[in-house]
Amino acid sequence: AQSVAQPEDQVKVAEGNPLTVKCTYSVSGNPYLFWYVQYPNRGLQFLLKYITGDNLVKGSYGFEAEFNKSQTSFHLKKPSALVSDSALYFCAVRDPGSSNTGKLIFGQGTTLQVKP
Amino acid sequence: ETGVTQTPRHLVMGMTNKKSLKCEQHLGHNAMYWYKQSAKKPLELMFVYNFKEQTENNSVPSRFSPECPNSSHLFLHLHTLQPEDSALYLCASSQEQWGFNSPLHFGNGTRLTVT
Repeated sequence: AQSVAQPEDQVKVAEGNPLTVKCTYSVSGNPYLFWYVQYPNRGLQFLLKYITGDNLVKGSYGFEAEFNKSQTSFHLKKPSALVSDSALYFCAVRDPGSSNTGKLIFGQGTTLQVKP
Repeated sequence: ETGVTQTPRHLVMGMTNKKSLKCEQHLGHNAMYWYKQSAKKPLELMFVYNFKEQTENNSVPSRFSPECPNSSHLFLHLHTLQPEDSALYLCASSQEQWGFNSPLHFGNGTRLTVT
């Protein structure tokens, strides 16, 4: 069965420093991987996805993520954090080859706090 | 604006009440979803509709009853809820059901409190 894990409940960084939000996954086939962000009192917003091709994908607001098949990871990164990046981040995975219609499975979320 | 509108934003109801949550999408999508978001827990998929037909019910208690009259509107009818049903209920849509090239677009949710 497919699954996704975000090992950190919270990540704290100083503004201007690089940030990383970790995500690992488990699927039986080739994964489709996504990152979403949720600001307070808002729904989730799509940031970026990996389907195939270049392992480094770029998304909205200067975020990028690196697909690492050997480590089954898809960590979210940004070179220079902004206070406005403070939010809840969700990693999600789909296994298109699975028998459960390839539904999107979300991690439990990581709260990113960027301090001024 | 996200293109997916949910009303009301906040709802407080007693355990014997009947209420409905509404979701409307203006994106021309064909699939719509209900998710439940509780604190410290992963998002829980509740229901999926594709072209107005229910395609998934993720073992949701019958006190939650979805309705999808057309591809643009989705309702969640609530009755005889329990306090543990208090959560943020999120509606989402996508061009096709679980389409890899069609990310989910979420509404801002309805914060439900059951007293």
